[in-house]
Amino acid sequence: GAGVSQSPRYKVAKRGQDVALRCDPISGHVSLFWYQQALGQGPEFLTYFQNEAQLDKSGLPSDRFFAERPEGSVSTLKIQRTQQEDSAVYLCASSLEPGTQGAQHFGDGTRLSIL
Amino acid sequence: GNSVTQMEGPVTLSEEAFLTINCTYTATGYPSLFWYVQYPGEGLQLLLKATKADDKGSNKGFEATYRKETTSFHLEKGSVQVSDSAVYFCALNKNTGFQKLVFGTGTRLLVSP
Repeated sequence: GAGVSQSPRYKVAKRGQDVALRCDPISGHVSLFWYQQALGQGPEFLTYFQNEAQLDKSGLPSDRFFAERPEGSVSTLKIQRTQQEDSAVYLCASSLEPGTQGAQHFGDGTRLSIL
Repeated sequence: GNSVTQMEGPVTLSEEAFLTINCTYTATGYPSLFWYVQYPGEGLQLLLKATKADDKGSNKGFEATYRKETTSFHLEKGSVQVSDSAVYFCALNKNTGFQKLVFGTGTRLLVSP
C-alpha cells in the first residue's frame, strides 16, 4: 500500500517476555520516527532514523528498548523483558526528507498490552 | 523545553455548531505548528500546519492561525459534522534538525446529530 504499515496491530505479552514491533515506511522516505502513546495521552518521541543511521534515541525509556533500521527501509522496535508500564500504542511515522517542513505520515500503530 | 498545552475534553457539540479547541505552546526559536486528527482505531493524520507567525493553516473547513504574540494555535471550524468526531492533537517541531514532533495531550471532540 501507499501508507506506513505497522505490524502486528495488537500484541499481548506476559511480563518479562521480549517483543518486536515492525514498521514499513512509505517507499523512498528517508526519515523514520517511533513514538509511544500512553492511554489518554499524546504521542511521545522515542527515536529517529535518517536512512539506516539512528541519529537520536534520547526518548527511549530504558536500555530495554532497542530500534534498528538496517537497510534504511523497514524498522523494528524491540522491547526486552517487558514490564506493565510498557503497555501503550507504538506509532511509527515517516517523512520524505529530513530538515524540511513536510508532514510526518503515521501508521495505525501497534497496541501493546503487557499482562 | 518545548511543550504544548491543549484544552481538556471531551468537547461535546451538536451538528453545525461552531468549534474552537485551544492550543498554546512554549518553545525556543521559531517552531512550526500542526494539528493532527486521530479517528477511532486509526493513526494520526495531518489536518493542517503553519510554519511562521501569522500564517493560517486550513483544511476541510478547519482553520488555525499561528499567533506568536500569544503563543497560540487555536483550531476552529464554523460548522461541525458528526464525522468530525475524533481526537485532535496540537503539535510543534523545532523547525531545525530532524524535526521531531512534540504533542499536546489531545482533545476529544464528540458531535451529535
